[in-house]
Amino acid sequence: QKEVEQNSGPLSVPEGAIASLNCTYSDRGSQSFFWYRQYSGKSPELIMSIYSNGDKEDGRFTAQLNKASQYVSLLIRDSQPSDSATYLCAVDRGSTLGRLYFGRGTQLTVWP
Amino acid sequence: GAVVSQHPSRVICKSGTSVKIECRSLDFQATTMFWYRQFPKQSLMLMATSNEGSKATYEQGVEKDKFLINHASLTLSTLTVTSAHPEDSSFYICSATGGGQDTQYFGPGTRLTVL
Repeated sequence: QKEVEQNSGPLSVPEGAIASLNCTYSDRGSQSFFWYRQYSGKSPELIMSIYSNGDKEDGRFTAQLNKASQYVSLLIRDSQPSDSATYLCAVDRGSTLGRLYFGRGTQLTVWP
Repeated sequence: GAVVSQHPSRVICKSGTSVKIECRSLDFQATTMFWYRQFPKQSLMLMATSNEGSKATYEQGVEKDKFLINHASLTLSTLTVTSAHPEDSSFYICSATGGGQDTQYFGPGTRLTVL
């Protein structure tokens, strides 16, 4: 079983719709969870971090965490064509601050 | 957010040569830096964790004698790919954390092509 799994996609939504991205992880000891966005040929950029169960909202983005189910999600409201990118879920490895497992990413396309 | 730079952004080299990649934190002191490798359409794979002034910790399967990491100061870490071969061609990305925070800030990456 991979440490971090994401819905493989690609995911295609119309402009203005809600995009839903999902991620499951295997290490129950993980405490820190991140969503990164990566444009083609570029390095990842942080969108959100979440540490506690429940929802965390930042503008059009909402991260949801359920540690009991080992599940993290990202909702993008009012999707824009500029949101088209690969979204990476990352989960800490526990022992060393900052060591992360990354999922393979979900490619999102928002069409006008 | 914090700024991390990498140099060079792109490098092409001949098989058997060594290539050095620099990673710098520009506006904060990076107590820990990380080196990742990403093959096309694959995820980021952590290669090693580097703490200032100490030896790097390599992930399982990463050859420490091939990928030399030096973290000589709180703002600079270097990755040297020794005796590079075509299979080492990849996108190498560094990241940095500091100040007790676990948020990683990524550099822009270095595209290495070994002919």
